[in-house]
Amino acid sequence: EVQLVQSGAEVKKPGATVKISCKVSGYTFTDYYMHWVQQAPGKGLEWMGLVDPEDGETIYAEKFQGRVTITADTSTDTAYMELSSLRSEDTAVYYCAIARDSYTPVEDWGLGTLVTVSS
Amino acid sequence: DIVMTQSPDSLAVSLGERATINCKSSQSLLYSSNNKKYYFAWYQQKPGQPPKLLIYWASTRESGVPDRFSGSGSGTDFTLTISSLQAEDVAVYYCQQYYSTPHTFGQGTKLEIK
Repeated sequence: EVQLVQSGAEVKKPGATVKISCKVSGYTFTDYYMHWVQQAPGKGLEWMGLVDPEDGETIYAEKFQGRVTITADTSTDTAYMELSSLRSEDTAVYYCAIARDSYTPVEDWGLGTLVTVSS
Repeated sequence: DIVMTQSPDSLAVSLGERATINCKSSQSLLYSSNNKKYYFAWYQQKPGQPPKLLIYWASTRESGVPDRFSGSGSGTDFTLTISSLQAEDVAVYYCQQYYSTPHTFGQGTKLEIK
C-alpha cells in the first residue's frame, strides 16, 4: 500500500522558513515524481512544484520561484519542501503527492501539513 | 500558464439526479493528434481530506471510482458527470491540466444536496 506520511503542523513567524517532510513507503521512491500543492484555508489548490527523485531535477511554479526548494533524499525515501520568507498569505495546508512523471496526473496524496504564519 | 475555469462555482442537486460540472482550459490540452490524449484530470475533495483522483486522460476512471462518475470533453472543454448523485458525493471537485507546468487547477466546484 502506497503511503505518504507528512510531518506535523508548524507555526512560524513572518520572515521565517519552514521545511516539511514527506516520507513514502509502499513503492520505489525513484519511480514517481513528487509534487507539492498549497491550499489556503477555504481556498482552492495551487500547484507549487515537483522533484524527480531519480536525479533531483526540479520544476517550480513562477509564483513560488525563489522562495521554494523541493528536494528528495533517496537514502530515506523522503521528500522535502522548504518555503522561505514566510508571510501571512502562506498560511495553508501543504500536500505532497506523487505522479509517474511530469506529464501524468497525481495519483496519491499525503494527508497534508498545516503551516500557520503569525506574529 | 494555462488557466482552468470551472463552472458553476457551486451546484445543488437532488439525490439520484444528474450532476454536471464543466471546466474550460485557456489552450488545448491535446498533446498528440495521434493518440488523442487529453492531459486533463478531475479530483474530488471532501472536507478535511486530501484530493482524490477520479478521472484522468479526460475520460479514464481511476480504479475503484464508481461508474456513476464519467468524464468527457475535448480540446479545451471538459465535463464531469455524476449520473445519479449519492450523499457521499458531496464534495468540492477540481479540474487540473498536466499538459504543461505549472499544473494548474480550476477554482473548484462545490457540490451539495438539494
